[in-house]
Amino acid sequence: KAGVTQTPRYLIKTRGQQVTLSCSPISGHRSVSWYQQTPGQGLQFLFEYFSETQRNKGNFPGRFSGRQFSNSRSEMNVSTLELGDSALYLCASSLSSGGETQYFGPGTRLLVL
Amino acid sequence: AQSVTQLDSQVPVFEEAPVELRCNYSSSVSVYLFWYVQYPNQGLQLLLKYLSGSTLVKGINGFEAEFNKSQTSFHLRKPSVHISDTAEYFCAVPLAAGNKLTFGGGTRVLVKP
Repeated sequence: KAGVTQTPRYLIKTRGQQVTLSCSPISGHRSVSWYQQTPGQGLQFLFEYFSETQRNKGNFPGRFSGRQFSNSRSEMNVSTLELGDSALYLCASSLSSGGETQYFGPGTRLLVL
Repeated sequence: AQSVTQLDSQVPVFEEAPVELRCNYSSSVSVYLFWYVQYPNQGLQLLLKYLSGSTLVKGINGFEAEFNKSQTSFHLRKPSVHISDTAEYFCAVPLAAGNKLTFGGGTRVLVKP
């Protein structure tokens, strides 16, 4: 089975712009979670989607949003980018939502200038 | 609320020597526990997991971990490390509901020849 894929792998944006990141889960997985990784804050949970519904949300401002499609693919959007949004954004998929093992993609590295 | 503490931020170790990475968690409920490894410029790879049953869990690449409920610990060990084990290691616990993983701060392992 193919693993979790994320596109694009690298992205450079300027402050004030918006960005959309994409994640394709492992085939058959219905839960997709997003995490932000920075040197200062470490790995932080953004949100989880299961069957097109947001199940959990982390402590991030409303500029961070996401959605999941009927094929379980997910996108996250960050509007009005700030310098502090520079990070590695990781997507993880699992069969369902309930403490299941999560399998991570390679991440999208976002640099905000 | 659950939290995860990795007591060592960096662990230098010589090749073929043993290594132990410490992880303590706080929780008032039954837990699942995970160890992930992150190689440079990559996503997270699952090393091993504890869901239930035997407290000694064996994972990939010769790693193992022991769940100790009384000490609320889940330390990771490898009897003989290789240069290729140079990476950052994360201990993680999911919240009781959903797939929101809480991560420790990470332990950077540097294997020296």
